[in-house]
Amino acid sequence: DTAVSQTPKYLVTQMGNDKSIKCEQNLGHDTMYWYKQDSKKFLKIMFSYNNKELIINETVPNRFSPKSPDKAHLNLHINSLELGDSAVYFCASSQSPSYEQYFGPGTRLTVT
Amino acid sequence: AQTVTQSQPEMSVQEAETVTLSCTYDTSESNYYLFWYKQPPSRQMILVIRQEAYKQQNATENRFSVNFQKAAKSFSLKISDSQLGDTAMYFCAFMKYASNYQLIWGAGTKLIIKP
Repeated sequence: DTAVSQTPKYLVTQMGNDKSIKCEQNLGHDTMYWYKQDSKKFLKIMFSYNNKELIINETVPNRFSPKSPDKAHLNLHINSLELGDSAVYFCASSQSPSYEQYFGPGTRLTVT
Repeated sequence: AQTVTQSQPEMSVQEAETVTLSCTYDTSESNYYLFWYKQPPSRQMILVIRQEAYKQQNATENRFSVNFQKAAKSFSLKISDSQLGDTAMYFCAFMKYASNYQLIWGAGTKLIIKP
């Protein structure tokens, strides 16, 4: 059973398009996250939700919008995609904000 | 602000050898957590080990162990009897015990295990 799953795993799209990445966890965790990993492997937190409440909202372009329909899902919508958005996006979850985080397989986004 | 430094961008060792990856951090907090994650070529991020700062005993997980030196703000990872499957990027991370518990990540160390 996949603990944290993301769809799609690969996403190739053109500049200016709008796309979404979906994340689901079946661990019963209360907290979910979105990270961006750039080409140099640096990880940057983007957003975090705890019990569907936004608790971390780092400085990211407002073209990025998270949405948590329930505690098991956290989706990421990106408007007007730019070349610089190309990266691997990871979803993660934890039992609560102070617990270790478990990651999904990542979504490699390529903007052409 | 907290920072995490991994001073070794890349390391390589022979299979079965022991290797130590270094991590230092800067914080004025007394309560916090520290983590090591590995990211193999499959790109999956995998938790290796977790350490609570209030615990003096070093965490261990099979062949993986840490050397936690709180006063020196050092948190190194030792991998014993290294295996080809240990080839990965290794990330050290710090979490303050309060506020939003945000993870602060190091830049990573690329570890290559040679046959």
